[in-house]
Amino acid sequence: DVKVTQSSRYLVKRTGEKVFLECVQDMDHENMFWYRQDPGLGLRLIYFSYDVKMKEKGDIPEGYSVSREKKERFSLILESASTNQTSMYLCASSLWGVAGGYYEQYFGPGTRLTVT
Amino acid sequence: QKEVEQNSGPLSVPEGAIASLNCTYSDRGSQSFFWYRQYSGKSPELIMFIYSNGDKEDGRFTAQLNKASQYVSLLIRDSQPSDSATYLCAAPSYNQGGKLIFGQGTELSVKP
Repeated sequence: DVKVTQSSRYLVKRTGEKVFLECVQDMDHENMFWYRQDPGLGLRLIYFSYDVKMKEKGDIPEGYSVSREKKERFSLILESASTNQTSMYLCASSLWGVAGGYYEQYFGPGTRLTVT
Repeated sequence: QKEVEQNSGPLSVPEGAIASLNCTYSDRGSQSFFWYRQYSGKSPELIMFIYSNGDKEDGRFTAQLNKASQYVSLLIRDSQPSDSATYLCAAPSYNQGGKLIFGQGTELSVKP
């Protein structure tokens, strides 16, 4: 059974703290993604990775960084958390797809981060 | 123009009716499409994908794809209150394998 797990369901951090969100998948997928989801704004891609140590910026990378040292693990880092980073963070993974290929993304349960 | 567009709704239908959710896309190179369902406070889950023109049926769900008109739709027959959720349409990015472009989602409410 496909499984994507995230380290925390709920997280409360203070402004200025360094925050790590961890994501692990057990499906041997090449691609991994980090999204944030806010009411009225839909899913927005922060970063994605198509291989170990490879990363690509998504639509809103500012204020975030990522790390992928192992194929199954993809971390999102908030270097200095700010209140506008309060959001639901979703990790996803998929097989590698050639352009236009149809590989679905599987999502983790999400981490609701509150920065105070 | 957004690459994948959906009417945000909310779309309200009575129990037992057919719910029709629509999505249009701008990239003619898109070959396949996904429908995800997202319950409030939960993560999206895949319910259908379609890559051929025409209809694809799975239980109460039917996905329809019209590449000439660049739209894809999801029909839910015999709608149930448990179908109340946000439905996201997604298409693969043509030049970035594995990346999906998501629509904003349509909120569906099925009234008992």
